[in-house]
Amino acid sequence: GENVEQHPSTLSVQEGDSAVIKCTYSDSASNYFPWYKQELGKRPQLIIDIRSNVGEKKDQRIAVTLNKTAKHFSLHITETQPEDSAVYFCAAKTDSWGKLQFGAGTQVVVTP
Amino acid sequence: GAGVSQTPSNKVTEKGKYVELRCDPISGHTALYWYRQSLGQGPEFLIYFQGTGAADDSGLPNDRFFAVRPEGSVSTLKIQRTERGDSAVYLCASSFPGLPHNEQFFGPGTRLTVL
Repeated sequence: GENVEQHPSTLSVQEGDSAVIKCTYSDSASNYFPWYKQELGKRPQLIIDIRSNVGEKKDQRIAVTLNKTAKHFSLHITETQPEDSAVYFCAAKTDSWGKLQFGAGTQVVVTP
Repeated sequence: GAGVSQTPSNKVTEKGKYVELRCDPISGHTALYWYRQSLGQGPEFLIYFQGTGAADDSGLPNDRFFAVRPEGSVSTLKIQRTERGDSAVYLCASSFPGLPHNEQFFGPGTRLTVL
């Protein structure tokens, strides 16, 4: 089955700097890659996603890139703000209705 | 309600007891998923329903875990003979065919503690 690895496990950045989180997946059939943000004690919320026929997608300060050949994808947050502090999870899915396979998460701390 | 809801928000039980966790999906969402999230980990898939039937139950760890969705809406996750290792946050998510990429919307979770 699919295996998703995520790095780093923790990331500390100064406000205004960029943050990058990287994930790799094992199943070449995976075709959908969402990123979820989870604040302490709250539910995971989708912040951006990308399908396998697209190499990059951007939404304001966040962007995701996908390299299908290398089977890795990354989340980029620019101009970080304290409210970006949270745990971020990458995930992968192989079919439309199937389960999401999550990475272990990255704790991002943005210091003012 | 506007989102997925789960009850109870917290459940403390003793080892060996039976528990039921409830999920109310977003109205009209045909797909419903259960995940389990241990401390410091990502959500781990348990089971998903398409309508009333379990389409994939490959994530259920053993036969102490069972889930139902009798009317294709509310779902109940049932855990028999609970063990301390079952302690986790149990998340429910729902989705609908018209959503882009069948986005899964998560509930707030039920924190289960087995003493």
